[in-house]
Amino acid sequence: GEDVEQSLFLSVREGDSSVINCTYTDSSSTYLYWYKQEPGAGLQLLTYIFSNMDMKQDQRLTVLLNKKDKHLSLRIADTQTGDSAIYFCAESVPGYSSASKIIFGSGTRLSIRP
Amino acid sequence: EAGVTQFPSHSVIEKGQTVTLRCDPISGHDNLYWYRRVMGKEIKFLLHFVKESKQDESGMPNNRFLAERTGGTYSTLKVQPAELEDSGVYFCASSLTRGKGNTEAFFGQGTRLTVV
Repeated sequence: GEDVEQSLFLSVREGDSSVINCTYTDSSSTYLYWYKQEPGAGLQLLTYIFSNMDMKQDQRLTVLLNKKDKHLSLRIADTQTGDSAIYFCAESVPGYSSASKIIFGSGTRLSIRP
Repeated sequence: EAGVTQFPSHSVIEKGQTVTLRCDPISGHDNLYWYRRVMGKEIKFLLHFVKESKQDESGMPNNRFLAERTGGTYSTLKVQPAELEDSGVYFCASSLTRGKGNTEAFFGQGTRLTVV
């Protein structure tokens, strides 16, 4: 089946690293994504990783993928107040055509404390 | 280039009324998706158009929901009659077919629907 799970809340101190974890169930996932939703805004694609990779780094963001355990994580280094948002983990599941559908988790609300 | 736009941004309607949400995808994108997030839960897939054809509508909750994409450009999602549990944020996304499994979908701002 298609299911993506993540914890609902995370609170970190400004300047620390944030690690948001996610598990998924569909082994046929080809791409895994992290989306960010700031208050009052739409969904913004933060980063993605292809399923045959185990790590991707992009400035302050590091994505780790453990395909065997179907575990994905997003690390934000030096967390800032502007990082406060809901972070959605998502997987791309092959659909009926060459385009896939995206299955989302429930989102992790990241809050930053001074 | 304009992104995915959705209209209206907010809608408050009474139970039993009809509401129509509109989505304009990025020009040239053949794939159009509707998603819904209800009460802080996960963002759930509703359906997927490829051009004007419904490719996958497995996520549509019931027959009170009708989606169309005449001409393969913009799409509408009609809820008739609306029920209280239909309240939530409805997101639209579009993407360009580039090969199996590679779906970089661009999302709109969402329409917040409140049924009272």
